[in-house]
Amino acid sequence: DQQVKQNSPSLSVQEGRISILNCDYTNSMFDYFLWYKKYPAEGPTFLISISSIKDKNEDGRFTVFLNKSAKHLSLHIVPSQPGDSAVYFCAASSKRNAGGTSYGKLTFGQGTILTVHP
Amino acid sequence: EAQVTQNPRYLITVTGKKLTVTCSQNMNHEYMSWYRQDPGLGLRQIYYSMNVEVTDKGDVPEGYKVSRKEKRNFPLILESPSPNQTSLYFCASSLSEDNEQFFGPGTRLTVL
Repeated sequence: DQQVKQNSPSLSVQEGRISILNCDYTNSMFDYFLWYKKYPAEGPTFLISISSIKDKNEDGRFTVFLNKSAKHLSLHIVPSQPGDSAVYFCAASSKRNAGGTSYGKLTFGQGTILTVHP
Repeated sequence: EAQVTQNPRYLITVTGKKLTVTCSQNMNHEYMSWYRQDPGLGLRQIYYSMNVEVTDKGDVPEGYKVSRKEKRNFPLILESPSPNQTSLYFCASSLSEDNEQFFGPGTRLTVL
């Protein structure tokens, strides 16, 4: 049961254009969402996050949009650069479980390979 | 330098031979976690720990054990490894379960 899905295994974009990476989730308890970037032979690195009380969060060239009704989030990279070529993972967590205590599980999607061509 | 370290980085072993992958962080983080990465499945959480002596199962805990006797270390133990545990393993840590996680460089494990 894949609760976080990235349905596009790969995305190819021209340098300078916009990259849009998508992520869907099924668990309505998720209330915190993150994007990680991963280069080959390295561990993932945190990119940007968004809480469910917001619908947009921006950090430089990176913007994450959250549509709670559709259970969908997206990462926009503008403008895309060749150095952005990597695997991008979205992840989701619920800060509180049904009992109200803190809940440390983090669920990742399958990842999307982004290639930015010069 | 703030970092998460894992050892070994590469390991080839045989079925049934107990092994331990160590994880250490120098950031005084309370939260630590183990993941495995497999093609088409992304990163799946194995176990996590919200503080010393507090551990809990993630999505794929079967065949693994962990311990958190001190804050900086969170070893992953495979008592009797099997070929389906061949994977790329990542350890991660964060200030708390609410914060973004810092990942180690990964351990590539092959079980023959």
